[in-house]
Amino acid sequence: GQSLEQPSEVTAVEGAIVQINCTYQTSGFYGLSWYQQHDGGAPTFLSYNALDGLEETGRFSSFLSRSDSYGYLLLQELQMKDSASYFCAGFDDKIIFGKGTRLHILP
Amino acid sequence: KAGVTQTPRYLIKTRGQQVTLSCSPISGHRSVSWYQQTPGQGLQFLFEYFSETQRNKGNFPGRFSGRQFSNSRSEMNVSTLELGDSALYLCASSPFAGGQNTEAFFGQGTRLTVV
Repeated sequence: GQSLEQPSEVTAVEGAIVQINCTYQTSGFYGLSWYQQHDGGAPTFLSYNALDGLEETGRFSSFLSRSDSYGYLLLQELQMKDSASYFCAGFDDKIIFGKGTRLHILP
Repeated sequence: KAGVTQTPRYLIKTRGQQVTLSCSPISGHRSVSWYQQTPGQGLQFLFEYFSETQRNKGNFPGRFSGRQFSNSRSEMNVSTLELGDSALYLCASSPFAGGQNTEAFFGQGTRLTVV
């Protein structure tokens, strides 16, 4: 079946850099995307990788390697407002989400 | 442009009852997907509707059903509610069907509590 694996929790310090990994077991994913969800809020789109390589959007970057079935989200210059859950999502005939990574940021 | 609207925001039901949740997608979007979110389980795919047709269905029992109207608004129904159905139900709107999309736009969700 299709599944995406990501760590359940990650902790980092304000101002630092953190990487959230996502591995997937499926064939035929068109691409990988990332969403952010604050407590009580809706998931919001961060980035989408259709091709291998790095996509950069401000402080956030996302990477995809199709041959390794692997991707990651990189958050730089962490701010307290980045404390949230982050989900990777794979696109084939539908959109399938990982279970999410809770990011804790320490002052 | 108005976002995705889900109603109601909160709902409390008792076991055995049924419930209907509503989702109005972004204007012009024809795809609506529904997800169940519970702590530690992420977003689990329920089903996707596109142009009034169910395109895909996740691994949920037949008590979970849905439909889509000609204006793309979608409803989700859960019959014979169980305690385990307590969750946040999210709908996501996209312009195209399934994997043709690069982004999904989520509503604020309906928080269902079954007592």
